[in-house]
Amino acid sequence: GAGVSQSPSNKVTEKGKDVELRCDPISGHTALYWYRQSLGQGLEFLIYFQGNSAPDKSGLPSDRFSAERTGGSVSTLTIQRTQQEDSAVYLCASSFYHYTDTQYFGPGTRLTVL
Amino acid sequence: GNSVTQMEGPVTLSEEAFLTINCTYTATGYPSLFWYVQYPGEGLQLLLKATKADDKGSNKGFEATYRKETTSFHLEKGSVQVSDSAVYFCALSDRETSGSRLTFGEGTQLTVNP
Repeated sequence: GAGVSQSPSNKVTEKGKDVELRCDPISGHTALYWYRQSLGQGLEFLIYFQGNSAPDKSGLPSDRFSAERTGGSVSTLTIQRTQQEDSAVYLCASSFYHYTDTQYFGPGTRLTVL
Repeated sequence: GNSVTQMEGPVTLSEEAFLTINCTYTATGYPSLFWYVQYPGEGLQLLLKATKADDKGSNKGFEATYRKETTSFHLEKGSVQVSDSAVYFCALSDRETSGSRLTFGEGTQLTVNP
């Protein structure tokens, strides 16, 4: 079956612009995660959605970052007023809900802020 | 808080050599432990996992044993191949303190030469 998909695969933007990154999780997976992979910080958790529960936003680095998940499926990560330090690969993952369950990762969106 | 420490890389081996990548963790609760692998140009994928002490995860000739007494989850393979060249990430999820989100180590780059 289809895996986790993300779009766009690459995004180049100018400092100060807003960007939206999209994630389509595996059908039936109730948990959805966003992570960021950057040279200086490694792989870091950003935000987590589980069903209809309030999302865990504890990993978002600033209030310029927000995310939503519509209808328990597709998720959008929005970065407002982008900064150069936002340049990274943004990864989305989904799983069935349990802390032992495998998280399946998408290919990522490479964001470059000029 | 939770943390994962991996041996520093990069690691370069000849084909058929023995591989060990060390991983130790700090967690408050009873974490599940994972090894993820990222092949060149591809997304993160689960290699193996262990959900309780003394469990051994294995896949594709790789093994790792969950050692609670030493808080370790070292990755081993008896005979590496060129196709094993990739970046390996140790990770944990700790339901009691951070739910199902993953905390990653810094990653270890493995290069296997023919």
